[in-house]
Amino acid sequence: EDKVVQSPLSLVVHEGDTVTLNCSYEVTNFRSLLWYKQEKKAPTFLFMLTSSGIEKKSGRLSSILDKKELFSILNITATQTGDSAVYLCAPMGQGNLIFGKGTKLSVKP
Amino acid sequence: DSGVTQTPKHLITATGQRVTLRCSPRSGDLSVYWYQQSLDQGLQFLIQYYNGEERAKGNILERFSAQQFPDLHSELNLSSLELGDSALYFCASSVEGRVNSPLHFGNGTRLTVT
Repeated sequence: EDKVVQSPLSLVVHEGDTVTLNCSYEVTNFRSLLWYKQEKKAPTFLFMLTSSGIEKKSGRLSSILDKKELFSILNITATQTGDSAVYLCAPMGQGNLIFGKGTKLSVKP
Repeated sequence: DSGVTQTPKHLITATGQRVTLRCSPRSGDLSVYWYQQSLDQGLQFLIQYYNGEERAKGNILERFSAQQFPDLHSELNLSSLELGDSALYFCASSVEGRVNSPLHFGNGTRLTVT
């Protein structure tokens, strides 16, 4: 059975801190892994990772995939209060995304 | 704004009733996915359509059904509703049917069954 485990489940930090969110997975016919940010409504797309060891960056966010060890990390540097959200990891298996339960990040001013 | 439109935003109905949720994908996207998000379960995949045909099925109950129309909009029908069906229902769309194409989500329909 496909499995996605995210850790930690929740995290409270102060503005300016750096955080690392973890995602481990076991998915049949793995193709890619996606990260989403969910605030109050729709999950919004952050990154899609298909190759091991290649870091993807967007501003203060970066992510990397290890297909051998079956995990991915999402880093956020110099956190801001606007980064407060649930971050979802979703490997793509048999043509659809399998979501983890997410990491709830709270950034205090 | 993702470009995926879902209606209605909120729906309150009674047990035993039937409702229809509607989704219009982003312009150019051929694939539509339906997900259910409840507090304790996270986002659960229900069903996927690609260009009008069912492509993949997840944990969708027999009381639930969906279809994708020629204009590519999709509807999710939920019948014989139970209290446990109360959840946020998301529609997502992507360009391709299978691989390496990010899903873009609508804002969801919040269903409350009383």
